Amino acid sequence: QVTLRESGPALVKPTQTLTLTCTFSGFSLSTSGLCVSWIRQPPGKALEWLGRIDWDDDKYYSTSLKTRLTISKDTSKNQVVLTMTNMDPVDTATYYCARYRTRIEAFDYWGQGTLVTVSS
Amino acid sequence: DIQMTQSPSTLSASVGDRVTITCRASQSIGDWLAWYQQKPGRAPKLLIYKASSLESGVPSRFSGSRSGTEFTLTISSLQPDDFATYHCQQYNNYSWTFGQGTKVEIK
Repeated sequence: QVTLRESGPALVKPTQTLTLTCTFSGFSLSTSGLCVSWIRQPPGKALEWLGRIDWDDDKYYSTSLKTRLTISKDTSKNQVVLTMTNMDPVDTATYYCARYRTRIEAFDYWGQGTLVTVSS
Repeated sequence: DIQMTQSPSTLSASVGDRVTITCRASQSIGDWLAWYQQKPGRAPKLLIYKASSLESGVPSRFSGSRSGTEFTLTISSLQPDDFATYHCQQYNNYSWTFGQGTKVEIK
């Protein structure tokens, strides 16, 4: 049974750095073809892909956000960490981690999401 | 980045109706288009991948098709559990984008 769960602060101040952790089970991120992505959704708005880390530690980032994002993994702990610097109120959103399968080029399992509010 | 234009933004329908949602890509993406269902306060759920392949466990009333850069999600007979928001998602050259979403409401 595949599960993912996001954890981190619910509230961050402008200019601060956000760190979110995705803890997963039911698969190994050392398995070829499996990846974990981060996706966010501002309240009432569309989904936005942020970045991806692969089984072989390759990483890909949104063009518009790549200067602010870092994704890393700890395979032994089954965790993926997202760091986003210089947070702004427009970054207020529900942040999801999701498993990605390259064979189907789709996100087949998602975490429940965590709402992050950026406010002073 | 490739843009996905999804329509309509809202759709009112009744149980038993045939429902069609469309996504158009700004350039060719081959078959790399997926569809997701999202209910309020919940994470998206994968329905269709590679334009027309049904994810395991998804009811057969859901289907997907492609014509060039236009992709369609069809629900053949709308059920009460299907009232939700639907999103398309494309993949091309290590970039992923989603459509704006279509909310399917009760008529």
